[in-house]
Amino acid sequence: DTGVSQNPRHKITKRGQNVTFRCDPISEHNRLYWYRQTLGQGPEFLTYFQNEAQLEKSRLLSDRFSAERPKGSFSTLEIQRTEQGDSAMYLCASSSSGGGGFNNEQFFGPGTRLTVL
Amino acid sequence: AQTVTQSQPEMSVQEAETVTLSCTYDTSESDYYLFWYKQPPSRQMILVIRQEAYKQQNATENRFSVNFQKAAKSFSLKISDSQLGDAAMYFCAYRGPGRNNDMRFGAGTRLTVKP
Repeated sequence: DTGVSQNPRHKITKRGQNVTFRCDPISEHNRLYWYRQTLGQGPEFLTYFQNEAQLEKSRLLSDRFSAERPKGSFSTLEIQRTEQGDSAMYLCASSSSGGGGFNNEQFFGPGTRLTVL
Repeated sequence: AQTVTQSQPEMSVQEAETVTLSCTYDTSESDYYLFWYKQPPSRQMILVIRQEAYKQQNATENRFSVNFQKAAKSFSLKISDSQLGDAAMYFCAYRGPGRNNDMRFGAGTRLTVKP
């Protein structure tokens, strides 16, 4: 397994367009997280899935944002009607759920850098 | 809400020297987890070291060690014998005891290693 992968790595779009990002977690991981990281800041939690169920959404996740994980494997994050303030790095992470404690360490993907012009 | 504060936006260290990165956090929980992540330029974040709050013993991973002061809510990272490859952004992160496991990150410290 090569770890968490994200596509595309870079996306440039015009304001008002819709964009979709994909995350493929580590295959045996049933938990998947999305974070947003703006320049000079640490990642901010957006949402979390266990299998196909979206269990938590941050208040940062406005109505224009939607995330899915239809078969409990890969996930997509869609942003509708993009705004310049959406420009950021979008990070995906995955973990297992067994055992608690550090057994569910999060492994991060390389991120998708979004630029909204 | 839990917050994580890294008060040093930038730090530099001479190769082979030791550097300490600071982190403080705020929580009302008694059991939680703390992490230091490293994010090299244009590369993905990787876990450096982690600490469970109920353990008094400070975690150590090779050249990396932490100074965990629970009462002071402080969690600093010490890098010994710094190497050029240590240059990166370092993020301190907190994870509560809840089932959801989302993490709260500090703003990061950019570490430069001078040859």
